[in-house]
Amino acid sequence: DAKTTQPNSMESNEEEPVHLPCNHSTISGTDYIHWYRQLPSQGPEYVIHGLTSNVNNRMASLAIAEDRKSSTLILHRATLRDAAVYYCILRDRGSGGGADGLTFGKGTHLIIQP
Amino acid sequence: SAVISQKPSRDICQRGTSLTIQCQVDSQVTMMFWYRQQPGQSLTLIATANQGSEATYESGFVIDKFPISRPNLTFSTLTVSNMSPEDSSIYLCSVHLASEQFFGPGTRLTVL
Repeated sequence: DAKTTQPNSMESNEEEPVHLPCNHSTISGTDYIHWYRQLPSQGPEYVIHGLTSNVNNRMASLAIAEDRKSSTLILHRATLRDAAVYYCILRDRGSGGGADGLTFGKGTHLIIQP
Repeated sequence: SAVISQKPSRDICQRGTSLTIQCQVDSQVTMMFWYRQQPGQSLTLIATANQGSEATYESGFVIDKFPISRPNLTFSTLTVSNMSPEDSSIYLCSVHLASEQFFGPGTRLTVL
């Protein structure tokens, strides 16, 4: 699996936007960019994923660079509940059937200040 | 979506004993995955369990240490055998449905 690089930690204030970066310079043309987060004492949960175009859902937005070598997860208005470890993961389109598990890096520990 | 439950939620065990962790999913799924999360670390995939066949183990994990059962499409067990303190971790099961991976709440294991 192609490798991703994320900052170890980031800090933000409640009710402000948060931009979580991820570098994936060795991404292949068939890799989807997935984001998961792990809240304290819980299993990871899906946040968003995309291939080339920017994506929005009720949880977040995903901005993907034109060359696809980096992406940014955007939380538009952070709350205390968004404090978690955020993982950026590449998944080959061929794994869409779910035959392969996810490969987790160290992720970014997001701290939200009230 | 998929709802996953695990039993037990936590346990404290003695060195040399074994613990079997159960994972139940509310949907029928082909693949189930078992992960380990050591203290302060990220998740590491242990094995993939396909119903009706032997599990496939990742590098560094072996069947004798982590035997897995997959008797049907909604259930799996992971056994941590002959435990040592280094096995103290959170063990999570996971399934893939509709482009998402869903995770159970985890089993927190402490080995004394």
